[in-house]
Amino acid sequence: ETGVTQTPRHLVMGMTNKKSLKCEQHLGHNAMYWYKQSAKKPLELMFVYNFKEQTENNSVPSRFSPECPNSSHLFLHLHTLQPEDSALYLCASSGDTAGGNTEAFFGQGTRLTVV
Amino acid sequence: QKEVEQNSGPLSVPEGAIASLNCTYSDRGSQSFFWYRQYSGKSPELIMFIYSNGDKEDGRFTAQLNKASQYVSLLIRDSQPSDSATYLCAVKKGTPLVFGKGTRLSVIA
Repeated sequence: ETGVTQTPRHLVMGMTNKKSLKCEQHLGHNAMYWYKQSAKKPLELMFVYNFKEQTENNSVPSRFSPECPNSSHLFLHLHTLQPEDSALYLCASSGDTAGGNTEAFFGQGTRLTVV
Repeated sequence: QKEVEQNSGPLSVPEGAIASLNCTYSDRGSQSFFWYRQYSGKSPELIMFIYSNGDKEDGRFTAQLNKASQYVSLLIRDSQPSDSATYLCAVKKGTPLVFGKGTRLSVIA
């Protein structure tokens, strides 16, 4: 059982739909991340939350809206997405973004397809 | 200049050989270095990390770090077909991990 759990594992949505991705970590970490991985592209950092506060937004379009109600939960709200947003969305957590020696642990990802 | 660079491969090695994966990074102040393995369609899993110059060994894996050259490598001894995956190098300097594009390794039986 992974310490970082993502739901759903697969999601197909239309361009006019609204859906949410959920991430939960049981590792006692303080930082949580959303990454996007498109085919043949490296992992792209989207958002970072440290102690529930958003510390990074990597120029992500507003159709992606993150929410972090506490250090254990992270959501990514999706609306009016485009087909090019189809990708694997990965959640990760780590001990602290300021610490130099803390590795990130990943959830299993949500495979999103926008039709 | 890309922050973390890796040869995308594929790197093909015969079973039992040593696989050598390389990574260079641009931020000289980077503090922590990680190697992740990612099987197709799966999430990355951490296999090694290294913080200090030199070598660090863990089973069949050896990570090597040279901060002066801004270079980190991963050696896999006695490569097995199950090692076939994409290997991601990641670098951290008090900020979230920055990943390279990954090197696809194929171990041929």
